[in-house]
Amino acid sequence: NAGVTQTPKFRVLKTGQSMTLLCAQDMNHEYMYWYRQDPGMGLRLIHYSVGEGTTAKGEVPDGYNVSRLKKQNFLLGLESAAPSQTSVYFCASSSPGTGVSGNTIYFGEGSWLTVV
Amino acid sequence: AQKVTQAQTEISVVEKEDVTLDCVYETRDTTYYLFWYKQPPSGELVFLIRRNSFDEQNEISGRYSWNFQKSTSSFNFTITASQVVDSAVYFCALSTLLWDRDDKIIFGKGTRLHILP
Repeated sequence: NAGVTQTPKFRVLKTGQSMTLLCAQDMNHEYMYWYRQDPGMGLRLIHYSVGEGTTAKGEVPDGYNVSRLKKQNFLLGLESAAPSQTSVYFCASSSPGTGVSGNTIYFGEGSWLTVV
Repeated sequence: AQKVTQAQTEISVVEKEDVTLDCVYETRDTTYYLFWYKQPPSGELVFLIRRNSFDEQNEISGRYSWNFQKSTSSFNFTITASQVVDSAVYFCALSTLLWDRDDKIIFGKGTRLHILP
């Protein structure tokens, strides 16, 4: 009963380093998202995907890239990390439609990233 | 544009008191979903409830109840006989069914609830 799984849970990066956050969901959801959460800012959408092979920009996409090569996976990349990217990152997934769980977003446990 | 407002940034109540968390939304869509999520101190985001725009019936689940009023664009959340374990940040969210817009799912900034023993 994994749901949405994110790795790693914690990471410290030096400015300029690159890294990839991995997200996997086992609910066969079409849609996947990456959010960041900062104090006082709530949840802000970075990028999202409405299906395998497709991605789109959200509210705060600068400095991030994503890929969705497989339906169950959604990767978030930081090419050159900056201190402003210190945040908690949440992956999420959902399915469209009006069914029982349609349009309900399910979140991973979060990844705490610090850029020094 | 769509908007979700949680005017209460932080609330503190004594255990066993009732508490209501307010959520006001704006949307031009006629079909939409409203949600509440809980974020306990451990950090995960837990789905609590989904309500669609055609269903204005109030919902009760144990000590939790939700009041959806389209006339006032509100979807308030009440915890009855609060417990320390209810201490968390609570987020209200709005989702449209139209997927050609960037504001398809909008979260409020959250209300931090402290239940004092």
